[in-house]
Amino acid sequence: ETGVTQTPRHLVMGMTNKKSLKCEQHLGHNAMYWYKQSAKKPLELMFVYSLEERVENNSVPSRFSPECPNSSHLFLHLHTLQPEDSALYLCASSSGVLASVHTQYFGPGTRLTVL
Amino acid sequence: AQSVTQLDSQVPVFEEAPVELRCNYSSSVSVYLFWYVQYPNQGLQLLLKYLSGSTLVESINGFEAEFNKSQTSFHLRKPSVHISDTAEYFCAVSYNTDKLIFGTGTRLQVFP
Repeated sequence: ETGVTQTPRHLVMGMTNKKSLKCEQHLGHNAMYWYKQSAKKPLELMFVYSLEERVENNSVPSRFSPECPNSSHLFLHLHTLQPEDSALYLCASSSGVLASVHTQYFGPGTRLTVL
Repeated sequence: AQSVTQLDSQVPVFEEAPVELRCNYSSSVSVYLFWYVQYPNQGLQLLLKYLSGSTLVESINGFEAEFNKSQTSFHLRKPSVHISDTAEYFCAVSYNTDKLIFGTGTRLQVFP
């Protein structure tokens, strides 16, 4: 595997379910990100981790819970989601957090549908 | 507020025709500009970026963008598009922080 991988690629869940999204980067990067991509809206930055420490949390509801056990893996734990949380969730990684210096590399995303 | 505007949500064009995808950003003293491309069922890939120096930047597949400070624009152009250029294109800006602020995207559809 190369680059940034995400599993699963598609997920359908009910509002009472608990599920997790997984991201793995094979680039030796130190920073990882979760973005939400909804139709007709800009990408929304949700969380940023640098060296496994959370450095950014953009007022994301607590039903989304990130976890970064090491610099190569990032999880997004989901529970009691709402239908408006249906979106494409993108993971990205970079060698540092300064966006002007360090290019972010994106995974293919997980298409989440909440029923 | 810091923002990026992509006025065109969709741009249809015939193969081998020129194309321009527009991007405007809110003004700032220090700004860094990016274009990302998202092919179907894939993540975003960096196409090109402006950090400093020459205001015209080019990508390896024939796209170019020009930083225009007076008009606060960073429009993306290609003189002759190919079917394989069909994708969604996102303009993004960084104000020298850890955040990339994205536009809403422009879907480029190239027809034969």
